[in-house]
Amino acid sequence: AIRMTQSPSSFSASTGDRVTITCRASQGISSYLAWYQQKPGKAPKLLIYAASTLQSGVPSRFSGSGSGTDFTLTISCLQSEDFATYYCQQYYSYPPYTFGQGTKLEIK
Amino acid sequence: EVQLVESGGGLVKPGGSLRLSCAASGFTFSSYSMNWVRQAPGKGLEWVSSISSSSSYIYYADSVKGRFTISRDNAKNSLYLQMNSLRAEDTAVYYCARARTTTVTTGNSDYWGQGTLVTVSS
Repeated sequence: AIRMTQSPSSFSASTGDRVTITCRASQGISSYLAWYQQKPGKAPKLLIYAASTLQSGVPSRFSGSGSGTDFTLTISCLQSEDFATYYCQQYYSYPPYTFGQGTKLEIK
Repeated sequence: EVQLVESGGGLVKPGGSLRLSCAASGFTFSSYSMNWVRQAPGKGLEWVSSISSSSSYIYYADSVKGRFTISRDNAKNSLYLQMNSLRAEDTAVYYCARARTTTVTTGNSDYWGQGTLVTVSS
């Protein structure tokens, strides 16, 4: 099974900051990578698929990049509603469709 | 509006069984593959199972293979997860989720239900 490793596991930032979260796959997954946002007590929300394609309705301050094994999610100007936990997921090789362990973004 | 509503969760003893349902509306259910994803309390997301639009392709995580069965009824716009031989480690919120595309079976999901909690405890 492909293992997905996110870094950092958690960190603090302030509104207005530019933040980057990294996801690394244990083997190449082309661009079959999605990013989700999850807030406490809520279902995950799809932000980005195919590594860099923004899901409809997602603000343009979110962007994704990468291919192969290394990927990033960038939030260009943090808003208060962006404080949440973020997960990457590979859908290249299955089963299983593996998720990263999550990155919790907290307010500084 | 796409809606996915899970039901059937609850408290069950180890070794017991439970059947989860997911009622879908707002889209052509029969055109999409569907997924179950779970989240143990305080933990991350874990993909559980996927089923193609016509039920021709079915996949399971190793952790549930042989114990869980995914199925669907396209006439009723419903997805199911039959869970047998439940263990404490199956305790989680179970989400029903729609695959993002109709072209292939994929674990990449664009719409999710609110989840239903399954607690396995004596």
